[in-house]
This record gives sequence, C-alpha cells and structure tokens, in this order.
Amino acid sequence: DIQMTQSPSSLSASVGDRVTITCRASQGIRNDLGWYQQKPGKAPKRLIYAASSLQSGVPSRFSGSGSGTEFTLTISSLQPEDFATYYCLQHNSYPPRLTFGGGTKVEIK
Amino acid sequence: EVQLVQSGAEVKKPGESLKISCKGSGYSFTSYWIGWVRQMPGKGLEWMGIIYPGDSDTRYSPSFQGQVTISADKSISTAYLQWSSLKASDTAMYYCARLTMVQGVIIAPFDYWGQGTLVTVSS
Repeated sequence: DIQMTQSPSSLSASVGDRVTITCRASQGIRNDLGWYQQKPGKAPKRLIYAASSLQSGVPSRFSGSGSGTEFTLTISSLQPEDFATYYCLQHNSYPPRLTFGGGTKVEIK
Repeated sequence: EVQLVQSGAEVKKPGESLKISCKGSGYSFTSYWIGWVRQMPGKGLEWMGIIYPGDSDTRYSPSFQGQVTISADKSISTAYLQWSSLKASDTAMYYCARLTMVQGVIIAPFDYWGQGTLVTVSS
C-alpha cells in the first residue's frame, strides 16, 4: 500500500506568514492528490484537487504543487481563519485505496 | 446544493450493534460513490470503505474489512455504516463523503462531506 508522509506534524506561524506543508508518497502517484482543511469540531473541507487545482470558492492564497512523490500545499499569506489542521489524501492505487497523510496542525505564533 | 446529512450522535455499550446513516441530496445519489472516514479522538483521518449506491458495489480498506459493513438504500438516497458488536476502540467521529470513481479509477475523492456522527462506546 502507498504510504503518505506529511511534514511537519505541527507548526506555529503568524498572520501574514507564508506557510508550506509537504506530503511525500512512498511511490509515484502522478497528480492523484488532494489537500483538506479541518477546523476543530468540523468536517474536513477540500482545498485542492489533482495536486494543483483550486476547489471552487477557496481563496487564492492557497495553492498546491507537485507530481509523482512530492507535493506541497502553500498558504501565501496566513489569515486568522486558516489556523486549522491540514491533510493530504492520495487516491492513485488500484484496486481503489485512499491514504491520508498524518496531518499538519497550523497554530498561532 | 449538494448535501450529505448524517444521523445523530450515539452512545452504546460494548457488544451492542449500531447502524449510522448518511442521506444525500442535491445530486444524483446513484451516480457517485459514498465513502466512510473514521477519526478517532485527537487523531487523523482514516479511509474505511466506499459504496456505489447504484448497484451496492462495495470496496473496503483492508484495515476495516470484516470489522464493519457498508450498505446503501438507493430508494431513499441513504448510505449506512454498521457494526454487529461494538468495541470501546470504535469510539470515534465517522464521516461520510462523496467520491467519483470510473472503471476502478478514483477521479475525484471526497468533494462533499457529511457533518459527522460521533459514536461513543463505553460500559
């Protein structure tokens, strides 16, 4: 099975900072990766699909990049409402298997 | 508007059975897969399995095969997750989410999510 290693597991940042989160796949997954944001007590929300496509309605400060085994979620200028936990999700496997990364908690510095 | 509405929180004892639900609306329920995701207290997200309500084709994560049963009733646009004998370790939040898969290839996973169902198992 494909493993997803997400880093860092947590980070502290200030409003306005540029934040980068990375996911590494244990084998190549083309661009079959999405990024999700989860706030406490809420369901996850998809931000990015196909590694770099922005979900409709998601602010443009969020961007995704990468292909193959290394992927990045970037928040260009962190806003107060962005403090949350972020997860990557790969869906490349056949038969169908989905694997989440371990999560990155973004906290206020 | 696409919506997935899940059943309410449950408190059960070890050994009891349970079936929770996820009702879809605002889209063709039989044209998309529904997946279930577990989140244990303070932990990350784990994929459990998926079902295609159109023909009840079901695929399980190896980690959950035999531990739960996923089903659907397309006549009422509802998917289910059930346990025959709960354990304390089943205590978690469970989410349903929509997924697009074509000929065994996942095209668009988990674009819409339910609000979650908290299951607490305690003696």
